[in-house]
Amino acid sequence: KAGVTQTPRYLIKTRGQQVTLSCSPISGHRSVSWYQQTPGQGLQFLFEYFSETQRNKGNFPGRFSGRQFSNSRSEMNVSTLELGDSALYLCASSFDSPVYGYTFGSGTRLTVV
Amino acid sequence: DQQVKQNSPSLSVQEGRISILNCDYTNSMFDYFLWYKKYPAEGPTFLISISSIKDKNEDGRFTVFLNKSAKHLSLHIVPSQPGDSAVYFCAASGRSGAGSYQLTFGKGTKLSVIP
Repeated sequence: KAGVTQTPRYLIKTRGQQVTLSCSPISGHRSVSWYQQTPGQGLQFLFEYFSETQRNKGNFPGRFSGRQFSNSRSEMNVSTLELGDSALYLCASSFDSPVYGYTFGSGTRLTVV
Repeated sequence: DQQVKQNSPSLSVQEGRISILNCDYTNSMFDYFLWYKKYPAEGPTFLISISSIKDKNEDGRFTVFLNKSAKHLSLHIVPSQPGDSAVYFCAASGRSGAGSYQLTFGKGTKLSVIP
């Protein structure tokens, strides 16, 4: 079966711009979570969506937002980009339980210059 | 405050020997623990999980041990193979008030298996 698909794979933006990243979960998975990975901080939780509702949010500024559509596809948006937003952004989908693990996509590498 | 800690940034092991990766946590409300493997330029891949009500779970060459009193878990890989060379992340899951599960990750241990 198809895995979690994230687009685009790579992105270069300039400071002050905004960016939208997309995630298509595994068919049947209704929970989609987003994580930011940086060398210094590791993987940090951004937010989680389930059935189009944000159920949980990590400790990130309001410039980071997201949404989920009725087909479970999700987007995250970062406005007013800062250099420190350069990171690998990972999306994970699941059946709403960690028992079987979360399936991650390959990520979007965002570089802010 | 780091709730999940992997104190060894790197580990080198000879092929065929046992690899032991360690992880400590501070939050006693975590109810599942997971291990992920990550290659460069790829997303993390789920390896194995364990419920907080168990102390051991095995899957092929991978075994995870949980010591709740010490708030410590470990991943054993036997025998280690060169293809196991990757960064291994320990993660803990706890349920938020909204009913959502959230994974808290350690910073990873880079395992190198030497042929």
